[in-house]
Amino acid sequence: DGGITQSPKYLFRKEGQNVTLSCEQNLNHDAMYWYRQDPGQGLRLIYYSQIVNDFQKGDIAEGYSVSREKKESFPLTVTSAQKNPTAFYLCASSIGGEGEQYFGPGTRLTVT
Amino acid sequence: GESVGLHLPTLSVQEGDNSIINCAYSNSASDYFIWYKQESGKGPQFIIDIRSNMDKRQGQRVTVLLNKTVKHLSLQIAATQPGDSAVYFCAENGGTSYGKLTFGQGTILTVHP
Repeated sequence: DGGITQSPKYLFRKEGQNVTLSCEQNLNHDAMYWYRQDPGQGLRLIYYSQIVNDFQKGDIAEGYSVSREKKESFPLTVTSAQKNPTAFYLCASSIGGEGEQYFGPGTRLTVT
Repeated sequence: GESVGLHLPTLSVQEGDNSIINCAYSNSASDYFIWYKQESGKGPQFIIDIRSNMDKRQGQRVTVLLNKTVKHLSLQIAATQPGDSAVYFCAENGGTSYGKLTFGQGTILTVHP
């Protein structure tokens, strides 16, 4: 089956630790995205990548980092510099820069 | 409809009724709009999209209406079913061609049997 996978579904970390969230797609999409969702709010764009080895900051990139070494993979690292890391993180991909974005199931990160 | 703030707008309907969910978008340069449905604890699912050269588009049981004059988007769901209960988001592209979508806050739809 084609799709986007995110792992793990739930992740718990202590404050001060970096943590990396996985996102893999086998849709052969060029573009990939990371969003953050907080309770009662819409999605906010963290980083996006239109092509391998290239990525751009979104609206709330501070405290996060990404890499895009392979077309199918776009991992997100939540660093200790992120002041409020507890949230639901969603990865998405699209064929090109325009059009529908397909979302993964999300990772719920809790930092205590 | 959607608004700024911590409390999501809600819409409660009876099964079989038609539902209308509204969205006011902010960027007059936006030329692509999309509606997503999100069930609790899951990623958003695509429902329907529309480009600014259209004012109406229909899918299966859903219709999106676009009024560029007042920057308003609506999603109509016909014969709403309990399985339609979810949070619905509109998103706009801000006139960009590189996939940067700006999402609204969302509307909670509850369908009562």
